Amino acid sequence: DTEVTQTPKHLVMGMTNKKSLKCEQHMGHRAMYWYKQKAKKPPELMFVYSYEKLSINESVPSRFSPECPNSSLLNLHLHALQPEDSALYLCASSPMGATRNTEAFFGQGTRLTVV
Amino acid sequence: KNEVEQSPQNLTAQEGEFITINCSYSVGISALHWLQQHPGGGIVSLFMLSSGKKKHGRLIATINIQEKHSSLHITASHPRDSAVYICAVRLYNTDKLIFGTGTRLQVFP
Repeated sequence: DTEVTQTPKHLVMGMTNKKSLKCEQHMGHRAMYWYKQKAKKPPELMFVYSYEKLSINESVPSRFSPECPNSSLLNLHLHALQPEDSALYLCASSPMGATRNTEAFFGQGTRLTVV
Repeated sequence: KNEVEQSPQNLTAQEGEFITINCSYSVGISALHWLQQHPGGGIVSLFMLSSGKKKHGRLIATINIQEKHSSLHITASHPRDSAVYICAVRLYNTDKLIFGTGTRLQVFP
């Protein structure tokens, strides 16, 4: 299994809603990433989890709250978002340590619309 | 200035043409990735390079560590190659992947 699975594929939420994005991989990768991508722009790094611990937070607003409950699962909890947060949210995973320099795998993304 | 720059930003080609996309970076890296993104979002990893050259089908990727430069070549281009091609680098001794600005390629029949 060489897939990174993201759910849902599409999400429309109001500014007062609370929702979560989910990312799952079963490749034994211990580094997992959240990226945000606006239209016609490259993905921007939001968070990195290394061995289930948050290792990088790129100054992301607190209305985005990541969680890594186990080595296969990565969540992104959303609360009180703004319309400008509408974007494609991509999850990725890669190995760490001695096998760090190998392929990174990406999910298909969740297209989020905040209304 | 972005840490990872790509050129050109947009590229149009006729089917069968040889295509080159360039990537330059200004930081220390442990690896460089070439990625493909089709409309709709999903990203596919094409190559991971830390030195030299790799080939897969009609795709060739090279990297020059001293010059901090990589190229992606597509031979005998086809309309199905139309996509955004992104260069991403893993910062040295970290798990941080930084993306380039992307090159939007359109190949016409």
